[in-house]
Amino acid sequence: SAVISQKPSRDICQRGTSLTIQCQVDSQVTMMFWYRQQPGQSLTLIATANQGSEATYESGFVIDKFPISRPNLTFSTLTVSNMSPEDSSIYLCSGRTGGNYGYTFGSGTRLTVV
Amino acid sequence: AQKVTQAQTEISVVEKEDVTLDCVYETRDTTYYLFWYKQPPSGELVFLIRRNSFDEQNEISGRYSWNFQKSTSSFNFTITASQVVDSAVYFCALSVEYTGKLIFGQGTTLQVKP
Repeated sequence: SAVISQKPSRDICQRGTSLTIQCQVDSQVTMMFWYRQQPGQSLTLIATANQGSEATYESGFVIDKFPISRPNLTFSTLTVSNMSPEDSSIYLCSGRTGGNYGYTFGSGTRLTVV
Repeated sequence: AQKVTQAQTEISVVEKEDVTLDCVYETRDTTYYLFWYKQPPSGELVFLIRRNSFDEQNEISGRYSWNFQKSTSSFNFTITASQVVDSAVYFCALSVEYTGKLIFGQGTTLQVKP
């Protein structure tokens, strides 16, 4: 199955700054997604990253706050903009493989905003 | 809309006890996929099983077994003879064919005491 390399694995950032998280898949995936996992909570879908076009955001998430790029079938970035302490979470990317309808996940980015 | 409900927030058992984690899902689609994931304290998501909506056969894998019942929209997970290493958060998740989005339940924290 596909393997996703996600980086950085963790970061501590100052409020008001932005952080870009990268995910690289070792093979083509049909779909890519970004999730947020707040402390002690479940995974919440932020958006579907669409290749070569604007991401599709879930309710409660907006492009200005979480701009996403997906220039090709194996790479995507998520930026957390103008961060506040409430953005402290784990962010995960995921890829859906077409053949066996499986999902693979990156190892996550643990973000702390101070 | 898709929804996954894991009513059990936390379960605590003593080692060697059997434990069942409940999962109830909602979808109007006829083609969908159900998943279970394990998230140990280290944070990574570990894939356990995938079931499609046309396959109601129960499955057993070692100490793990899954009971899929479309009539009650449930996909329950049983661990037999639990071990301390089973301590983790377990997520049930659902995806439907036409969106591909994977939606997670709230998660059940399982603590297995020695």
